[in-house]
Amino acid sequence: QVQLVESGGGVVQPGGSLRLSCAASGFTFRSHAMHWVRQAPGKGLDWVAVIWYDGSNKYYTDSVKGRFTISRDNAKNTLFLQMNSLRAEDTAVYYCARDYGLRRGPIIYWGQGILVTVSS
Amino acid sequence: QTVVTQEPSFSVSPGGTVTLTCGLSSGSVSTTYSPSWYQQIPGQAPRTLIYNTDTRSSGVPHRFSGSILGNKAALTITGAQADDECDYYCALFMESGISMFGGGTKLTVL
Repeated sequence: QVQLVESGGGVVQPGGSLRLSCAASGFTFRSHAMHWVRQAPGKGLDWVAVIWYDGSNKYYTDSVKGRFTISRDNAKNTLFLQMNSLRAEDTAVYYCARDYGLRRGPIIYWGQGILVTVSS
Repeated sequence: QTVVTQEPSFSVSPGGTVTLTCGLSSGSVSTTYSPSWYQQIPGQAPRTLIYNTDTRSSGVPHRFSGSILGNKAALTITGAQADDECDYYCALFMESGISMFGGGTKLTVL
């Protein structure tokens, strides 16, 4: 069955960096776009970024453009989110999620999430 | 900036039917945006209920259905049960590559 396991979360100071990873299994990773979605404490879901199946295109929500970079390693079935210049408002549970198809499509599967806390 | 709109809260009686909606602050929701619905119990990861407007995700009970009603996407729960009480989010996957979630609807079953 589809499994998405996030890692790399933790506490980081404002202005710091963190790299999240998502290990995927149970499906053909290279055949699906992948997303990151976050949820601040007590708030709703907030879409962060998507990367196409082959890594050729990436899209970001405005609030993270220029600070976050989504990438993937199809040989290792792993999705990444490099987060730089972190701010207090980036504090959230970050979910890795699998798309229905190759490019732009609905999210179908979700990981369990990993907490990122930005605090001094 | 276009935002996705949802009712902040809704209430339904056990066994009753409720329809939650998902709109756009500017324009109409189209099947082109692959409207999808997610259920979230506090403290847990979201669960996909409906995707591509009306396709039920694996294992989702038939009492959940999706549609387009007028200029909005809709999630209908027929025969609501106590464990349906949680948060529901819709999402739209735009042609620009950007995706957006609505603010969520807190459903109360009482």
